[in-house]
Amino acid sequence: QSVLSQPPSASGTPGQRVSISCSGSSSNIGINSVIWYQHLPGTAPRLLMYSDIQRPSGVPDRFSGSKSGTSASLAISGLQSEDEGDYYCAAWDDSRNGYVFGTGTRVSVL
Amino acid sequence: QEQLVESGGGVVQPGKSLRVSCGGSGFTFSSYEMNWVRQAPGKGLEWVAVIWFDGSNMYYADSVKGRFTISRDNFKNTLYLQMKNLRVEDTAVYYCARGGGVPFAFDVWGQGTPVTVSS
Repeated sequence: QSVLSQPPSASGTPGQRVSISCSGSSSNIGINSVIWYQHLPGTAPRLLMYSDIQRPSGVPDRFSGSKSGTSASLAISGLQSEDEGDYYCAAWDDSRNGYVFGTGTRVSVL
Repeated sequence: QEQLVESGGGVVQPGKSLRVSCGGSGFTFSSYEMNWVRQAPGKGLEWVAVIWFDGSNMYYADSVKGRFTISRDNFKNTLYLQMKNLRVEDTAVYYCARGGGVPFAFDVWGQGTPVTVSS
């Protein structure tokens, strides 16, 4: 069972902005960095965001992250068809001594 | 380029054992923490285990603690996951992922190896 909660789905038309929330607790998001992964069909997961707001090289600036307290968000602006897939937040959990993933959000481009 | 390749997946009966492997190339394998992450059919990603760069520490998800063992051979640039007393609910694609390239994140992933536990 996932420790971090995300909405099951999000959608938008091309060019729109979509936001995905991630809710955790004081033992994970509240004290540790939030990471976001993109998992497109038939591919390996891809690191999208680390240290709450940092983009790895190669990730377009259409993707942005934020965090407040025990919650975080990933925003995708200028939505494109190739953004369709599953998005997961994650964090280290001090009480579990392990990483925890969010429940995942499927993004659809209408 | 930096690459991880898993192998060893297959079909196994409940209660049996299986070992999956992950070979790293294109980077200094011995300098990085390594992880296993799995995805059951129709489910989300689930972190399974982590091992420190030198093998000095390992941590496990509660769902596999006492049944799975993560290990590594830095001379062979290979990560292992020994799975014992397998259950139907362990059926999943198992990914290896590199940690430590950026803080608390997995920046290189393999393509995954499927494990099916079924009688």
